[in-house]
Amino acid sequence: SAVISQKPSRDICQRGTSLTIQCQVDSQVTMMFWYRQQPGQSLTLIATANQGSEATYESGFVIDKFPISRPNLTFSTLTVSNMSPEDSSIYLCSVGPADYGYTFGSGTRLTVV
Amino acid sequence: GENVEQHPSTLSVQEGDSAVIKCTYSDSASNYFPWYKQELGKRPQLIIDIRSNVGEKKDQRIAVTLNKTAKHFSLHITETQPEDSAVYFCAATPNQAGTALIFGKGTTLSVSS
Repeated sequence: SAVISQKPSRDICQRGTSLTIQCQVDSQVTMMFWYRQQPGQSLTLIATANQGSEATYESGFVIDKFPISRPNLTFSTLTVSNMSPEDSSIYLCSVGPADYGYTFGSGTRLTVV
Repeated sequence: GENVEQHPSTLSVQEGDSAVIKCTYSDSASNYFPWYKQELGKRPQLIIDIRSNVGEKKDQRIAVTLNKTAKHFSLHITETQPEDSAVYFCAATPNQAGTALIFGKGTTLSVSS
């Protein structure tokens, strides 16, 4: 299965600032997905990132708040912009589908103070 | 879009007992149904999945059943052990290129010895 390296693993940020999360995959993949997992909650899809085109955002998520880049088939970034304490969550990237299903990065635990 | 409902939200069993978690989905186009186990502070790990062309799949103590007519699928864990304690998520997707997993809200399973 694909191996995803996600960083940073955690960060504590001041409100009003931005944080960029990176995911590197060890093989070429068509689609990458970004999820948010709020404390004690399930995974909520933020957007789908396809190489060479703009990301597709789910209801409740907008590009100005969560800009995504997908410069090639092995890499993607998610930026959390103008952060507030409500953005404190775990952010995960994922790739799939494939014969092995979907896999996830190790997650970025973000705390906004 | 797809909507996945998961029950129960919490489940407590004695070691050696069986545990059953149930999910329903809304999109009749969905044909891939994975189950993930998430331990505290870790990424979700795929434990078993089923595709729509089969009704049941088993892997040692874990089994999944699928009823496409009723749009529900279930996870069965037999002979539970304390290390089975975790949060379990079901998910569904049409499993086509570009489609993400949509998750249920999760079930916290506690196995006491």
